[in-house]
Amino acid sequence: AQSVTQPDIHITVSEGASLELRCNYSYGATPYLFWYVQSPGQGLQLLLKYFSGDTLVQGIKGFEAEFKRSQSSFNLRKPSVHWSDAAEYFCAVGPPGGGNKLTFGTGTQLKVEL
Amino acid sequence: GAGVSQSPSNKVTEKGKDVELRCDPISGHTALYWYRQSLGQGLEFLIYFQGNSAPDKSGLPSDRFSAERTGGSVSTLTIQRTQQEDSAVYLCASSERGRGAPFNEQFFGPGTRLTVL
Repeated sequence: AQSVTQPDIHITVSEGASLELRCNYSYGATPYLFWYVQSPGQGLQLLLKYFSGDTLVQGIKGFEAEFKRSQSSFNLRKPSVHWSDAAEYFCAVGPPGGGNKLTFGTGTQLKVEL
Repeated sequence: GAGVSQSPSNKVTEKGKDVELRCDPISGHTALYWYRQSLGQGLEFLIYFQGNSAPDKSGLPSDRFSAERTGGSVSTLTIQRTQQEDSAVYLCASSERGRGAPFNEQFFGPGTRLTVL
């Protein structure tokens, strides 16, 4: 069965510092890959997605992610974190044939120190 | 335009009672999903509706859980005889269908926080 692992439950960074959130997946084939952000009391918002092609994808709010097939990873990065980036981040995978279900990781809670 | 809305935003109930959670998807979205977010866990898929097709109920954890979607729009998730382990945030999402993209983006509502005492 497919699974998504986010090894870091909590991460704290200083404002202005760089950020990398890790995501590894287990799947029979390369799935569709997503990063969502959830701010307190809010629904999930899509940051970026990877379907095929260029393995470095750009998203909203200055985020990017790199797909590495050899490592089954899809890590999220941001060069300079802003205090407003404090939120919970979820990596998710969808079946490579398209379809409906998303399988989510357990999330990484990001805290930003001023 | 309006996003996905859910009601109530918070629900506190006693063990053994039934609850109904409502989701209003984005107008024109034919696909609707329910997920459950438990403390310390990721989102767990519950059920998926697509147009008039039979729903995919494969994620429902027990027969106490059911959902319906009337008129292809509003959906209600019903939990019968609630248990304490049902306490979670229940998220609804909707998406378009058949626009050529291999995977249509799911737009999420703010969720309903259910607490079973």
